[in-house]
Amino acid sequence: EVQLVESGGGLVQPGRSLRLSCSASGFTFGEYAMSWVRQAPGKGLEWVGFIRSKAYAGITEYAASVRGRFTISRDDSKSVAYLQMNSLTTEDTALYYCTRVSGDLLHYFYGLDVWGQGTTVTVSS
Amino acid sequence: DIVLTQSPGTLSLSPGERATLSCRASQSVSSSDLAWYQQRPGQSPSLLIYGASSRAAGIPDRFSGSGSGTDFTLTISRLEPEDVAVYYCQHYGGSPPGTFGQGTKVEIK
Repeated sequence: EVQLVESGGGLVQPGRSLRLSCSASGFTFGEYAMSWVRQAPGKGLEWVGFIRSKAYAGITEYAASVRGRFTISRDDSKSVAYLQMNSLTTEDTALYYCTRVSGDLLHYFYGLDVWGQGTTVTVSS
Repeated sequence: DIVLTQSPGTLSLSPGERATLSCRASQSVSSSDLAWYQQRPGQSPSLLIYGASSRAAGIPDRFSGSGSGTDFTLTISRLEPEDVAVYYCQHYGGSPPGTFGQGTKVEIK
């Protein structure tokens, strides 16, 4: 079964850091680009960023709201994607989803075809 | 920046009726990079449509997507109770590269 499981969420004070993990199973992780999407309480979806597969140099792209503060990385040997979040603010409070990207993001985008259940990040003093 | 505007905000229809959801881009975008998602209450989103008109695996044929340029449409031909959800469009490419629309909520009367 194709599955993504996020972990690492929790309560954190403003200005602090947190690292989320996304453990993948049921598919060849290294062949896929991955993405993080967040959803603030009662709000819509907000794309956070992408990381391409190693075949496409593992290039990352970020939303303007997180660029310079958040970093996406991957460990293909462990089938895990990470979201390192620094300088957190209350605006970063959200449910964070890890998703698989269908398509290489260089030539093709076939949507975010697998989603995890999400992990909640609450930024509060 | 590309902005996706979805309308209406809420759609309230009876079972069996046709639902038409709109996604308008602030500038012309490639239809190959336009996707639609369904988020049922309390659940993670799931992919419905990619490439503006191709159904994802396992999606029933009552769901269809169309459009090009700046105007895209998701149609549910015969609304069923399990279609109650918020529907989002997403575009990949340009700036920012992964933007979502604000969503359309579909309710059953």
